[in-house]
Amino acid sequence: DAGITQSPRHKVTETGTPVTLRCHQTENHRYMYWYRQDPGHGLRLIHYSYGVKDTDKGEVSDGYSVSRSKTEDFLLTLESATSSQTSVYFCAISESTGRDEQFFGPGTRLTVL
Amino acid sequence: AQSVTQLDSHVSVSEGTPVLLRCNYSSSYSPSLFWYVQHPNKGLQLLLKYTSAATLVKGINGFEAEFKKSETSFHLTKPSAHMSDAAEYFCVVSDRNFNKFYFGSGTKLNVKP
Repeated sequence: DAGITQSPRHKVTETGTPVTLRCHQTENHRYMYWYRQDPGHGLRLIHYSYGVKDTDKGEVSDGYSVSRSKTEDFLLTLESATSSQTSVYFCAISESTGRDEQFFGPGTRLTVL
Repeated sequence: AQSVTQLDSHVSVSEGTPVLLRCNYSSSYSPSLFWYVQHPNKGLQLLLKYTSAATLVKGINGFEAEFKKSETSFHLTKPSAHMSDAAEYFCVVSDRNFNKFYFGSGTKLNVKP
């Protein structure tokens, strides 16, 4: 299995609080992605990174920010969590471009009350 | 803009019978296409991918898919279903620059004994 970990694995928080999710990889892959998974929507891309300090928005980026200061770590921050951000969040990595396989982390279940 | 449609949200088959999961995509270029599988409470795993080589793509666990440009389809098939195939399956298309991915809403496959 690809070396991808996500932390925390489960989190319950309250509306209006900041939340940071961490994705850590040991594969030295260039690309990293954050997705959210909601019933009936499949996975939707939030943000992705194509290198250290290089990030771009996905299709559902509002309310989220990311940072990548090291190759191995990609952080997703909810500045002020809302109930609509209750979801399962998956991190993925890919060696190079979108022609390559993505490897997914185990997911983080976030509940915003 | 690119999009992907999985035509069935649920498919139910008997063990030993063929599986067909349908996927149509929309794009103005020749994309990369993928099928991923997600077993309950697990992460996602690549089944197969199409990246402009052979139009019939073979994947793991006996699955295969055929890229049909004229029909803009990438249907997933397996000759004989096994109980362990019960899972949710996602069809995925890349964007023009192969940086972003768009997931279908998923098809849940149920395999009856």
